Amino acid sequence: DVKVTQSSRYLVKRTGEKVFLECVQDMDHENMFWYRQDPGLGLRLIYFSYDVKMKEKGDIPEGYSVSREKKERFSLILESASTNQTSMYLCASSLSTGLQFFGPGTRLTVL
Amino acid sequence: DQQVKQNSPSLSVQEGRISILNCDYTNSMFDYFLWYKKYPAEGPTFLISISSIKDKNEDGRFTVFLNKSAKHLSLHIVPSQPGDSAVYFCAASFQGAQKLVFGQGTRLTINP
Repeated sequence: DVKVTQSSRYLVKRTGEKVFLECVQDMDHENMFWYRQDPGLGLRLIYFSYDVKMKEKGDIPEGYSVSREKKERFSLILESASTNQTSMYLCASSLSTGLQFFGPGTRLTVL
Repeated sequence: DQQVKQNSPSLSVQEGRISILNCDYTNSMFDYFLWYKKYPAEGPTFLISISSIKDKNEDGRFTVFLNKSAKHLSLHIVPSQPGDSAVYFCAASFQGAQKLVFGQGTRLTINP
């Protein structure tokens, strides 16, 4: 079974803090993704990576950066957290195309 | 530009009846479609998929129908069970693309 794990299930941070969200997958997938989910807006892609040290912006990259130093690990960084970044963050991984496997999500609250 | 649309934010169905969730898309290049199910505070889990060479795919109580001319797909759940209460997302992709495009989701509630 594919396993995608995320470092925290719930996180509370203050405005202006730097936030790291970590994601690890154990299936040697090339592709990894970060989404945020907000009510009525579905899943919106923030960034994705198709190889180590390779990244591409998604639909809403502003205010975020990512890092992929190892194939199994993909980090999402909020350089200076703001209240409008309060959301559910979901990491996913996939082989070359198509079916993505998701982690359990991190509910981030920025106060 | 919303390429994949789920126009019903919510749907309520009696237990044992059929649930029909709908999804429309605009990009005729899409050739692979998926449905995911999501419970609160959990990540989405894959439910069923269909490629554009088919018009129907069945897996137990779940059937997905694809109408390419109308750019429409639907997920049928028969019979509906209380455990089916969740948010359902449809997603689309095309060959060679690594990304999926997701709809906004439909919250399905199964009433006893």
